[in-house]
Amino acid sequence: ETALTQSPGTLAVSPGETATLSCRASQTIRSRCLAWYQQKSGQAPRLLIYGASTRATGVPDRFSGSGSGTEFTLNISGLEPEDFALYFCQQCGNSPITFGQGTRLEI
Amino acid sequence: QITLKESGPTLVKPTETLTLTCTFSGFSLTAGGAGVGWIRQSPGKALEWLAFIYWNDDKRYNPSLESRLTVTKDTSKNQVVLTMTGMDPLDTATYYCAHRLTTVTMKVDVFDFWGHGTKVAVSS
Repeated sequence: ETALTQSPGTLAVSPGETATLSCRASQTIRSRCLAWYQQKSGQAPRLLIYGASTRATGVPDRFSGSGSGTEFTLNISGLEPEDFALYFCQQCGNSPITFGQGTRLEI
Repeated sequence: QITLKESGPTLVKPTETLTLTCTFSGFSLTAGGAGVGWIRQSPGKALEWLAFIYWNDDKRYNPSLESRLTVTKDTSKNQVVLTMTGMDPLDTATYYCAHRLTTVTMKVDVFDFWGHGTKVAVSS
């Protein structure tokens, strides 16, 4: 099983700043099959990024993903108040599908 | 517009079998590449993938739970059903069903539309 480790666990930033979230895999993720989700309290996750760097439909361009192999990053520039939430990475390149434990973005 | 909605019991007793239904609209599970997955989230914890069913009736399960899981589909009703046997208090979670991402160029096991989730508590 491919374990995903997200860091930091909690990231405190201010509106307008840039947040950098990391997702490290225990083994190479095939086909860059890595996605990022945003989850707000009491809501289902929302897909932000897939294929490591492709924004999902309707996702603002302040969200960007990068990386390959075992190291992946989600950058959020010009943080808006609505961006403060929980973020998960998910890999689908290796069976079984696994999720990271999440990074909480807070003010 | 794709929507999914989970339904099922909110409380089950230990050792019982949980049956959850995902009713969806806006896509067909007969279309090539289509799929529906189940994911759960324990209170305050991370997401855990449970199962996937695809348009061709291929099914995949999380190996850690495979012996307890069964997923089926009824395309005439636009429904997917997940059963989990031997429920334990550790299975208390919010259970989600979600649509597999399909684009013109890509079909991958990520989830672009999710149901609101259904909370299941396991307690005697």
